[in-house]
Amino acid sequence: DAGVTQSPTHLIKTRGQHVTLRCSPISGHKSVSWYQQVLGQGPQFIFQYYEKEERGRGNFPDRFSARQFPNYSSELNVNALLLGDSALYLCASSLGGAPGNTIYFGEGSWLTVV
Amino acid sequence: EDQVTQSPEALRLQEGESSSLNCSYTVSGLRGLFWYRQDPGKGPEFLFTLYSAGEEKEKERLKATLTKKESFLHITAPKPEDSATYLCAVDDRGNQFYFGTGTSLTVIP
Repeated sequence: DAGVTQSPTHLIKTRGQHVTLRCSPISGHKSVSWYQQVLGQGPQFIFQYYEKEERGRGNFPDRFSARQFPNYSSELNVNALLLGDSALYLCASSLGGAPGNTIYFGEGSWLTVV
Repeated sequence: EDQVTQSPEALRLQEGESSSLNCSYTVSGLRGLFWYRQDPGKGPEFLFTLYSAGEEKEKERLKATLTKKESFLHITAPKPEDSATYLCAVDDRGNQFYFGTGTSLTVIP
């Protein structure tokens, strides 16, 4: 079975530009979460979506937004990119949105802002 | 504020030299504690989920244990292929995981 798939795997953007990252969850999983991981740190929570509704939002500015589609895939959008947005963006999926559900990660999208 | 602290930050072991990694946490209500392995440039790979104090899980050379304040990841007779960063995370509200900064393990042949 396919795991969590993310695209693109690597991208380079200029400050001020916009980026869209995409994620397809494991088949049958209805919850998708997004995390940002900078070098040397653990992943930091950005958003969680379950059944197309936002269930949680981390401490990130409004430049970050996301959505989940009827097929449970998801997009993460970041506007007005800053150098500090350079990071590995991880998507994770889980069966449901209940507490204690294990989340499974994709390989991530490496974003470099220059 | 919820916190997860992992120690040591880095660990170098000789092949076959057993050791333990620590994850201490402070959360309002633990819904689950999770261990992941992360290889350089890759996404975290799920290892274990623990839900209650006293619970233990094993997989090959790895064994995870949980108390009310901390979790340990025991590595028995490690091999070079066990070299990776090991991440610990807690789920207390059901909508986000809090991660530690990880322990970077290097196993020398």
